[in-house]
Amino acid sequence: QVHLQESGPGLVKPSQTLSLTCSVSGASMSSSRNCWNWIRQPPGKGLEWIGYICDGGTTSYNPSLRSRLTISIDTSNSHFSLSLSSLTAADTAVYYCARDARRKQALTRITYFYGLDVWGRGTTVTVSS
Amino acid sequence: EIVLTQSPGTLSLSPGERATLSCRASQSVRNDDVAWYQHKPGQAPRLLIYGSFSRATGIPDRFSGRGSGTDYTLTISRLEPEDFAVYYCQQFGGSPALSFGGGTKVEIK
Repeated sequence: QVHLQESGPGLVKPSQTLSLTCSVSGASMSSSRNCWNWIRQPPGKGLEWIGYICDGGTTSYNPSLRSRLTISIDTSNSHFSLSLSSLTAADTAVYYCARDARRKQALTRITYFYGLDVWGRGTTVTVSS
Repeated sequence: EIVLTQSPGTLSLSPGERATLSCRASQSVRNDDVAWYQHKPGQAPRLLIYGSFSRATGIPDRFSGRGSGTDYTLTISRLEPEDFAVYYCQQFGGSPALSFGGGTKVEIK
């Protein structure tokens, strides 16, 4: 069974950089059929997609966070990480990591998406001095 | 940028009733790659539907999705007590690559 677990500091000061890690067990991270996502939910608000990384290092970021965001992957140690700089109170949220499932059709090269199918339980991050 | 608008914001229904949730995209969703998630407080979101109508593994058949282009619907045919939660639609393939709607809360009437 695939399991994802977020880890990182619960409290970070404004202007600092948040570093979170998602540990993956029960599945190989070296598959073209999966990419690895970060999503967050601020208090009282909805879900916000942060970005993803695929095996080989291909990334896609939410434009609203791109200038402050880096997502990296370490497939040999089965984890991927998020680094978000210049934090403000607006970055206070529950942060989730999630695997997505996708398939690229060889003939058309269209990528079909099968959803964010495995999620971590989430970790609460508070930005406060 | 694709913006997903969900309606209504809150749906007040009784167990056994039918729930119909709407998700409208500001532009056509590529390949109709729309997914739906159920989210309960303190839990991780749960994938229900992908590709606008395909049920994820283990999802009961009372959950169904349909739609194409810019209009998508999640229907829960008969609400069970465990179905009261917040539901999000999500698109893939636009700009940004993924995005969520604002959510619909299904609450007990």
